[in-house]
Amino acid sequence: DQQVKQNSPSLSVQEGRISILNCDYTNSMFDYFLWYKKYPAEGPTFLISISSIKDKNEDGRFTVFLNKSAKHLSLHIVPSQPGDSAVYFCAAGGTSGTYKYIFGTGTRLKVLA
Amino acid sequence: EAGVTQFPSHSVIEKGQTVTLRCDPISGHDNLYWYRRVMGKEIKFLLHFVKESKQDESGMPNNRFLAERTGGTYSTLKVQPAELEDSGVYFCASSQVWGIEQFFGPGTRLTVL
Repeated sequence: DQQVKQNSPSLSVQEGRISILNCDYTNSMFDYFLWYKKYPAEGPTFLISISSIKDKNEDGRFTVFLNKSAKHLSLHIVPSQPGDSAVYFCAAGGTSGTYKYIFGTGTRLKVLA
Repeated sequence: EAGVTQFPSHSVIEKGQTVTLRCDPISGHDNLYWYRRVMGKEIKFLLHFVKESKQDESGMPNNRFLAERTGGTYSTLKVQPAELEDSGVYFCASSQVWGIEQFFGPGTRLTVL
């Protein structure tokens, strides 16, 4: 049973517009949520994180929103750039203090120039 | 500072053979993780080392997989004997003692024929 779900396998957005990537989770005990970006033939790269005690975290063009009651988080990229085209993974964890993360299946974002 | 490195980048072996994957974490990172991504699915946790000790190996699929981290530096993941379903990309990640962010290596793509 998947504890972290990314239901949209792909998303296309025009350059300059907002990209919204969604993630749902089932375990209410998760402490931390992260977004990773992955280019082909490379390992995932950390993008942004949020603790369960917050509902929003911003870093430049990237903002992560956490809705604990809905067990839902989203990543907003504004404005989207062609270099943002990649696969984005949502991850959750921290329940056991070991920072073992559970990843979603990823969403492929394509930003059109 | 060098990132997480993995060797080899690709490995093609036949069913029943043995393969050993190597991971060199970022210098000074006590935490080392192994993950696997199969056929475009989620990135799945395999195990977690703190220095040379196995903190959590709940994700290891079966006893054909053996991970070691002698001396608390680099780690190896041996698959013996390999089966077809072991094919996938094996990622290694490392983090500091209380680090939330895990730094991933580029992965080893394993193909079992």
